[in-house]
Amino acid sequence: NAGVTQTPKFRVLKTGQSMTLLCAQDMNHEYMYWYRQDPGMGLRLIHYSVGEGTTAKGEVPDGYNVSRLKKQNFLLGLESAAPSQTSVYFCASSYEVKLTYNEQFFGPGTRLTVL
Amino acid sequence: GNSVTQMEGPVTLSEEAFLTINCTYTATGYPSLFWYVQYPGEGLQLLLKATKADDKGSNKGFEATYRKETTSFHLEKGSVQVSDSAVYFCALSKNTGFQKLVFGTGTRLLVSP
Repeated sequence: NAGVTQTPKFRVLKTGQSMTLLCAQDMNHEYMYWYRQDPGMGLRLIHYSVGEGTTAKGEVPDGYNVSRLKKQNFLLGLESAAPSQTSVYFCASSYEVKLTYNEQFFGPGTRLTVL
Repeated sequence: GNSVTQMEGPVTLSEEAFLTINCTYTATGYPSLFWYVQYPGEGLQLLLKATKADDKGSNKGFEATYRKETTSFHLEKGSVQVSDSAVYFCALSKNTGFQKLVFGTGTRLLVSP
């Protein structure tokens, strides 16, 4: 099993350009998440999905859109990139939570720089 | 709201030294608590967890005890190795409804030979 994979690994954009980050998981997880990691701020949730065809906003959703057309994929889009979106983006997935804990499995990250 | 506070790093230790990374939390109810570790160039991976008060999570020589009375979940290891150099994140998740993880800011650990 590959687990959670992310493409691309690195990307440099100019302000105003658009791009899509792809996350794929092969663990048949129901839930998927997009986080951004910035120095001194830990991980912050951008958007998440509780199943195919569903999406919801997290803490910092502005400037991003997401789609979950297939259960195994979760796409994060930037329509018009801004320098404030320079960050490392992590995708994660987990089983539908009916137990008392929530282990999330993370991808290796995408480092995005917006000039 | 729920929040997690971690000690600022970096924490710099020599090999075989004792490690403590402090973590305290604020939450309604009784959350589950986690430590995640991020090795250089990689994503986060779960290191250990505790789901109720007085539980002790342990893995790879690391331990943390869920202390409800002090709202703490400090990470400890008796003898660190160079390979433990990483960023450690404390996190919590409530146990009802949709369980979003709330992360602390992370603590970088640097272990020298």
